[in-house]
Amino acid sequence: DAGITQSPRHKVTETGTPVTLRCHQTENHRYMYWYRQDPGHGLRLIHYSYGVKDTDKGEVSDGYSVSRSKTEDFLLTLESATSSQTSVYFCATGAGRQETQYFGPGTRLLVL
Amino acid sequence: AQTVTQSQPEMSVQEAETVTLSCTYDTSESDYYLFWYKQPPSRQMILVIRQEAYKQQNATENRFSVNFQKAAKSFSLKISDSQLGDAAMYFCAYRSAMGQGGSEKLVFGKGTKLTVNP
Repeated sequence: DAGITQSPRHKVTETGTPVTLRCHQTENHRYMYWYRQDPGHGLRLIHYSYGVKDTDKGEVSDGYSVSRSKTEDFLLTLESATSSQTSVYFCATGAGRQETQYFGPGTRLLVL
Repeated sequence: AQTVTQSQPEMSVQEAETVTLSCTYDTSESDYYLFWYKQPPSRQMILVIRQEAYKQQNATENRFSVNFQKAAKSFSLKISDSQLGDAAMYFCAYRSAMGQGGSEKLVFGKGTKLTVNP
């Protein structure tokens, strides 16, 4: 939905390495979000952006950073990946703060 | 903090029958949005239906409808004429409409796995 792509779709990495996930949208939505999905927890917000270079933390932001240098791209970086960051990561976008969020296809990350 | 509870980890329904998935939430706010998302085996999160708390009328989308009981803080999803393609995880989600910082996030329940039997 909303022309959202995520890359890579699957990644295996080792503990201690940096990892960057990319979310790209073609809908010119102002708001972008990163969630993680884990068994027994549903989806939880990591970080979100409300405009270019405007970002804020979500409820599980420790160990993650984000950047948004242009409207269409929102990057999630794991500075030093840990096994607890093994998860499925979803990007979502919304036209406005109160607008419905639409999700990308997800990225499955395995940290060994 | 708001919480969303889906008390049914798994449900099953016969094809063409009707099934209702339960969701309750806890909030002290008066203005908010509620959503049902569907996640098939492909893992794509797909919006099923959206309800604004200020609207008394229950939202409907084709075979999907909700029973929104604001006083009881209940938001159930009814799927009529169930189809094999309805098999998925269904997530209930809450979002504040209070306009404060951090209110943009969706708060999700843990999901209900729906199986549709032919």
